[in-house]
Order: sequence, then C-alpha cells, then structure tokens
Amino acid sequence: DAGVTQSPTHLIKTRGQQVTLRCSPKSGHDTVSWYQQALGQGPQFIFQYYEEEERQRGNFPDRFSGHQFPNYSSELNVNALLLGDSALYLCASSLSYSPYEQYFGPGTRLTVT
Amino acid sequence: AQSVAQPEDQVNVAEGNPLTVKCTYSVSGNPYLFWYVQYPNRGLQFLLKYITGDNLVKGSYGFEAEFNKSQTSFHLKKPSALVSDSALYFCAVRDGGQAGTALIFGKGTTLSVSS
Repeated sequence: DAGVTQSPTHLIKTRGQQVTLRCSPKSGHDTVSWYQQALGQGPQFIFQYYEEEERQRGNFPDRFSGHQFPNYSSELNVNALLLGDSALYLCASSLSYSPYEQYFGPGTRLTVT
Repeated sequence: AQSVAQPEDQVNVAEGNPLTVKCTYSVSGNPYLFWYVQYPNRGLQFLLKYITGDNLVKGSYGFEAEFNKSQTSFHLKKPSALVSDSALYFCAVRDGGQAGTALIFGKGTTLSVSS
C-alpha cells in the first residue's frame, strides 16, 4: 500500500515564476491538505480539498491555489513566486469520515532565487 | 485563536533515561491533540492523538502522552530513550469546536539522545 507521494522532490525557481506541485494521497483517502514548512518552523496550513472543492483555507494569499482531481490527487500552484516562498511543501491525506489522522508525504523542497 | 507552544527548542537525554517533550495548547473548544515526528529530509510521521477518553494516550514506538486539561498541556513521554529517537518532534492541535480539520503545529522540539 503506497503512502502519500509528492513530486517533484526538489525544485528551483526564480522570483516571479509560477510553480505546480503534485500530490497523490494514500490509497482510499479522499481528503488532501497542503502545508508550508519554512526552515526551522512548524508546518503551516495552506488549504484542504475534499470532493474537488476547497473546504478550508489558512492565512495564505491568493497567489496560492489548488486543485483536486476525481482520483483525489491534488496540485498546489503558486504564482508570482517570492523569495519567502522557499520552503518544504507537505501534502497530507486523510479520510473524510475519519479526519483525525493525517498521513504526510515526504514533501517538495522549493527554492526561490 | 488556536495555538500550541513547545517551550523547548531542544531536549537532550542519555540513552536509557526517560524523556519528556513539552507542549501546551490554547483552543476555544475541546482540543484534539497530536504528536508527529520528523526525521531529516522526511515528511511527518504520526505518533499519537488525544480526542477524548483516558488522559494517558499510548502511541507508536513506545511513546505516550499525558493530557492535562487544567494545565492545558499534552507532554510527550517515553520511559527509556533510544538513540534512534533523535529527531524533530511537533505537537499539533485542532479545535474540536470548529469545522475543518486543519492542524496548527508548534515550532518543534529537537530531541537528541546520546549513547
């Protein structure tokens, strides 16, 4: 049983560019959450998707957007990248009817230069 | 506003000794509390959770946590530390009185177990 997978593992972008990160949830999980973990900090909640809709959103600007596909996989898009967007981006999946355990992927390390 | 605090950036303990990693929380409703561990260049691994019930929660790898409502604390404990327990530990909370399942994480505590 594959766990949560994310791609790519690492990414280097230039300020002002756009980036798309991808996540495949654990088998059977229908809810996907995205978190940003800056260096030396705990993860911060970006948003959560269920049934292809954004169900909850954290305190992040509109430059951060997402999508969930019918197979429950998800994308995180960040436009107009800033240096401060450099971080580890974590995807977590869970079951809508048992949301208390979120399973995290290994993350995508984004560096903005 | 919901929050968690991990007052120690680092905890050092000798192998075989008991360990405690501290966490305090602030929520408006009933707290749902979690501990996760992160190894270098890895995602977070779930250790244990408190939703309701017994104040002492047992989790993975011999870890346990004690929920104390009067002190708003949820400290992580292990009777005998292993060198392999060295990692970054995060406490997290979800406000049970609010919709959504977003987790609010602390800043993390680095546990270093020496042989």
